[in-house]
Amino acid sequence: NAGVTQTPKFQVLKTGQSMTLQCAQDMNHEYMSWYRQDPGMGLRLIHYSVGAGITDQGEVPNGYNVSRSTTEDFPLRLLSAAPSQTSVYFCASSYSKWGAARPPLHFGNGTRLTVT
Amino acid sequence: TQLLEQSPQFLSIQEGENLTVYCNSSSVFSSLQWYRQEPGEGPVLLVTVVTGGEVKKLKRLTFQFGDARKDSSLHITAAQPGDTGLYLCAGVGGNMLTFGGGTRLMVKP
Repeated sequence: NAGVTQTPKFQVLKTGQSMTLQCAQDMNHEYMSWYRQDPGMGLRLIHYSVGAGITDQGEVPNGYNVSRSTTEDFPLRLLSAAPSQTSVYFCASSYSKWGAARPPLHFGNGTRLTVT
Repeated sequence: TQLLEQSPQFLSIQEGENLTVYCNSSSVFSSLQWYRQEPGEGPVLLVTVVTGGEVKKLKRLTFQFGDARKDSSLHITAAQPGDTGLYLCAGVGGNMLTFGGGTRLMVKP
């Protein structure tokens, strides 16, 4: 059971460089999202998608782009990396329709990004 | 933006002690989830509470959703070293899940 797969696990960038964090899920989940986790700040939502071709901004979208061309993949692009983007990034997925109780988010194991 | 505040931020206790973690907001949530995260891994769902005043038990863990659906608590009875980890509450509002800052729990043998 692969679940949510994130690559790479670790990445070091220099200020101004661009890169793409990959996220793939094999559970046929419509909903996918990207969070960043910083010490003492929990998880903050960057972007999310409720289905292929649909994306929306979360709490902290500036400096990041996403696209959702397939149900399985939801890459996160850093256009011009800044030291403030040093963080651990988590991709998560779930079903997008529910009744009273929201279904659980299934998280990947994260990408630790350092921008120098 | 809906904010969720968790307290305490850090908790270090001896095995066998009881503890309570709080999750508070000024906003109303349709439901609230609790996750637990181990080092190097993503969070994993423990429970979802939906109804105001609801209480759910998961072995030694008791979760309560406030009557007004603005706050929640997690109580652990007779903590064990295996309970060590980061506990996160998350409020559900529309398509967004808003996380609290987390409580880092260490249980010493």
